[in-house]
Amino acid sequence: DSGVTQTPKHLITATGQRVTLRCSPRSGDLSVYWYQQSLDQGLQFLIQYYNGEERAKGNILERFSAQQFPDLHSELNLSSLELGDSALYFCASRRGGAGANVLTFGAGSRLTVL
Amino acid sequence: QQPVQSPQAVILREGEDAVINCSSSKALYSVHWYRQKHGEAPVFLMILLKGGEQKGHDKISASFNEKKQQSSLYLTASQLSYSGTYFCGTEIGANAGGTSYGKLTFGQGTILTVHP
Repeated sequence: DSGVTQTPKHLITATGQRVTLRCSPRSGDLSVYWYQQSLDQGLQFLIQYYNGEERAKGNILERFSAQQFPDLHSELNLSSLELGDSALYFCASRRGGAGANVLTFGAGSRLTVL
Repeated sequence: QQPVQSPQAVILREGEDAVINCSSSKALYSVHWYRQKHGEAPVFLMILLKGGEQKGHDKISASFNEKKQQSSLYLTASQLSYSGTYFCGTEIGANAGGTSYGKLTFGQGTILTVHP
């Protein structure tokens, strides 16, 4: 157990629907990252939050949004889902915002869009 | 801004060595190495911060050439447990743009397969 908790572990939904993925960071970690990993692909950076504020943005679609709450948990909202959104979504947390701090990954949320 | 890894795949026999390279077109602040087993979360291997810094963990070590904006991961006397996909993650230096600071971008990965 890495200490980063992601729910749900698996999610199957239909095109056009909306889903919310949740992430609780490790205790003491202020930064949360979201990554998308399509089948046998690399880790695509979506967005980073640090202590409640958006810190960096990757190639995140306009249909996707995220936020980090005062208790530091984060949610990734995916709307108007398309078949191509099927992927493993990882949340990772980090003590600080950059540098020597280790990025610790959760087990991921596997989204299947039918 | 995504780092480029090479090779894309490596096949080894137990006991053989391998080198995985990671290069960036931007000045790097740090390089992170992770290993991912199929269907699992990536697991941290090491971080390199300073130019020329070399770190080691068991028979896995890495170097960081700040001037060339490159990092290499060295796996010696490979074991079956080394099989997996290796990712390098890079952070661009703060002077390259404050909004990029903390943005950790990963390469496409190198698939390492170790056979008995």
